[in-house]
Amino acid sequence: AQSVTQLGSHVSVSEGALVLLRCNYSSSVPPYLFWYVQYPNQGLQLLLKYTTGATLVKGINGFEAEFKKSETSFHLTKPSAHMSDAAEYFCAVRLTTGAGSYQLTFGKGTKLSVIP
Amino acid sequence: EPEVTQTPSHQVTQMGQEVILRCVPISNHLYFYWYRQILGQKVEFLVSFYNNEISEKSEIFDDQFSVERPDGSNFTLKIRSTKLEDSAMYFCASSTSGGASETQYFGPGTRLLVL
Repeated sequence: AQSVTQLGSHVSVSEGALVLLRCNYSSSVPPYLFWYVQYPNQGLQLLLKYTTGATLVKGINGFEAEFKKSETSFHLTKPSAHMSDAAEYFCAVRLTTGAGSYQLTFGKGTKLSVIP
Repeated sequence: EPEVTQTPSHQVTQMGQEVILRCVPISNHLYFYWYRQILGQKVEFLVSFYNNEISEKSEIFDDQFSVERPDGSNFTLKIRSTKLEDSAMYFCASSTSGGASETQYFGPGTRLLVL
């Protein structure tokens, strides 16, 4: 079985400040990892994903995340927050093989507010 | 850019009634999914569908639920007899293949309220 924990249901940052959204996972096998963003009244949009290869993954809108196997983490960062980054962010895992490998398992989400 | 669409955006129904939620996946995608999010809770997987068969389903997806691809474009989720606890946002998603590294593309959701 797999699970995802996102620390902080709400995070507020000032415009221009570092964004750090935390995600930890547990999984019976090494999973693939995803970050999705949801803007108001829109669907979930993929920001970035880790499957294989380089553990530092770059995504859209200046976001990046680093897969740390030893810490079972996949934290999302952006050096400088923009007002348009205000949204809800979801971390998700997917098993690479076997039963349950079709589904994404999501965290509860972190709502990011950006203060002008 | 191609996108997944869902109709209706909102639906209100009475307990015990049947509802059908509709989705149009991205046209060249072959795998389809339904997820739901009860207010304040996690997005949860319901079912995946490929080649007119369910490939995987969760414990939530009981006999009250069914999925269908009635034609070449639509993918539907039917709830036969709605319960209060079915009130949630329902998301449809699609992907080109079922591989675990494949991106699932999500629609905007249908908010279902059961009274």
